[in-house]
Amino acid sequence: QAGLTQPPSVSKGLRQTATLTCTGNSNNVGNQGAAWLQQHQGHPPKLLSYRNNNRPSGISERFSASRSGNTASLTITGLQPEDEADYYCSAWDSSLSAHWVFGGGTKLTVL
Amino acid sequence: QVQLQESGPGLVKPSQTLSLTCTVSGGSISSGSYYWSWIRQPAGKGLEWIGRIYTSGSTNYNPSLKSRVTISVDTSKNQFSLKLSSVTAADTAVYYCAREGPAAAHDYWGQGTLVTVSS
Repeated sequence: QAGLTQPPSVSKGLRQTATLTCTGNSNNVGNQGAAWLQQHQGHPPKLLSYRNNNRPSGISERFSASRSGNTASLTITGLQPEDEADYYCSAWDSSLSAHWVFGGGTKLTVL
Repeated sequence: QVQLQESGPGLVKPSQTLSLTCTVSGGSISSGSYYWSWIRQPAGKGLEWIGRIYTSGSTNYNPSLKSRVTISVDTSKNQFSLKLSSVTAADTAVYYCAREGPAAAHDYWGQGTLVTVSS
């Protein structure tokens, strides 16, 4: 089964805005929306947002998510050095073989 | 605060069965509407969902791994477990256990445990 599609890398300057994308289909992102996870090297992933733009407690308002059709986006404003990490999207795929799918991840570099 | 901790052998021989356990603390595994998942990550690569279990015992598995995976739950020990049979070097990865909440996202993760498949 195909996973979600994310660009492998994005580079932006300090204090700039980065927008990461995640493309799926009508069975996953287009149906259930997407969640976004942040992972720093050597650490487990951390949930940033779920159901497109709901943030868990403690997650900065600099992280916001949205969805248009089968594509989800994560926007990070006022980039900080600590935002440099890998970002993954995930979605529940409600096709016949219902399962979770992940994107391949985007490495965000803060210049 | 819910915490998850993976445990199990760090080295498994090819063709054998990988067995891991996730111990949940800070809350009962059977309270609330939660699924409990296993997710893995080969070195330098992305995340791959393996499967999940509800406290009723209902399971869902990754179609690509379904024939080799069994996930079970022991509510008396507040644990859930993973068995992956007929392993090869391609199964070498960091294995995470995670909680999936009603919001349909993995909100709590274990620290992960590295399992190497090698003779």
